[in-house]
Amino acid sequence: AQKITQTQPGMFVQEKEAVTLDCTYDTSDPSYGLFWYKQPSSGEMIFLIYQGSYDQQNATEGRYSLNFQKARKSANLVISASQLGDSAMYFCAMREGRNTGKLIFGQGTTLQVKP
Amino acid sequence: NAGVTQTPKFQVLKTGQSMTLQCAQDMNHEYMSWYRQDPGMGLRLIHYSVGAGITDQGEVPNGYNVSRSTTEDFPLRLLSAAPSQTSVYFCASKFSPQTFPSSPLHFGNGTRLTVT
Repeated sequence: AQKITQTQPGMFVQEKEAVTLDCTYDTSDPSYGLFWYKQPSSGEMIFLIYQGSYDQQNATEGRYSLNFQKARKSANLVISASQLGDSAMYFCAMREGRNTGKLIFGQGTTLQVKP
Repeated sequence: NAGVTQTPKFQVLKTGQSMTLQCAQDMNHEYMSWYRQDPGMGLRLIHYSVGAGITDQGEVPNGYNVSRSTTEDFPLRLLSAAPSQTSVYFCASKFSPQTFPSSPLHFGNGTRLTVT
C-alpha cells in the first residue's frame, strides 16, 4: 500500500499568491516525522520543513508552513507569496518510527509559478 | 563546506559492466544512504548505513552492493549493470537518527546513470 501519496502531479500558481501542495500518509506507528523537500530543475534536493507526529503546533519556516492534520493523516505544504524561484518539484517524505533515518517518499508534485 | 559530494555527475555504461558511485560527506554524519529517483516514483531507498562497518538493505537493493569502511565514505557498487538501473542516484547523510530523529537528510547533487 502506498505510504505517502501526493495526488497532484502538477500545479500552477500565480506569482505572489499562496499555494497548497497535498500530502497524505499511512502509518500505524504513533511516532513518525514528515519532511518536505524541493527539487529545482538543477536536480539538487533541498530540505524545506519538518513536522513531528507529537508536535503540538504546525511547523513554519519563512514562507513555508505545514498544515498538519493528524486525524486525517495529511501534511500539506503551504507556500505563501509564491516566487518564480519556487518553480520546482516538491516531495513529501515520511520517517516511520523514531529511531530510523529511512525516509519513504511520495511521487512528487511539480509546481510552476506564473509571472 | 562541501557537504555531501557525489562523483561522477554523469555516467554511461553498457549492460554487464560494473562501476562504483562515490559518496563522501564532511559533516561527521553517522547515517548515510543511497536512493534512486525514477520518473513518477519518487525516491526509493537502496541501501543505508548507521555507522562505519554497518550496512543494511533498503527497498530496492538487488543489483547493488555497499560498504562503509569510514564514517565519511559510502560507495555504491553496481555489480553487472542492467538497463533497469538507468536512474538518478542520490547519496544522503544525516546525524544519528537515534540522537537526532528530526534532523533532515542532506543530499548530494546526484549521479545520472544511463545503461545501454
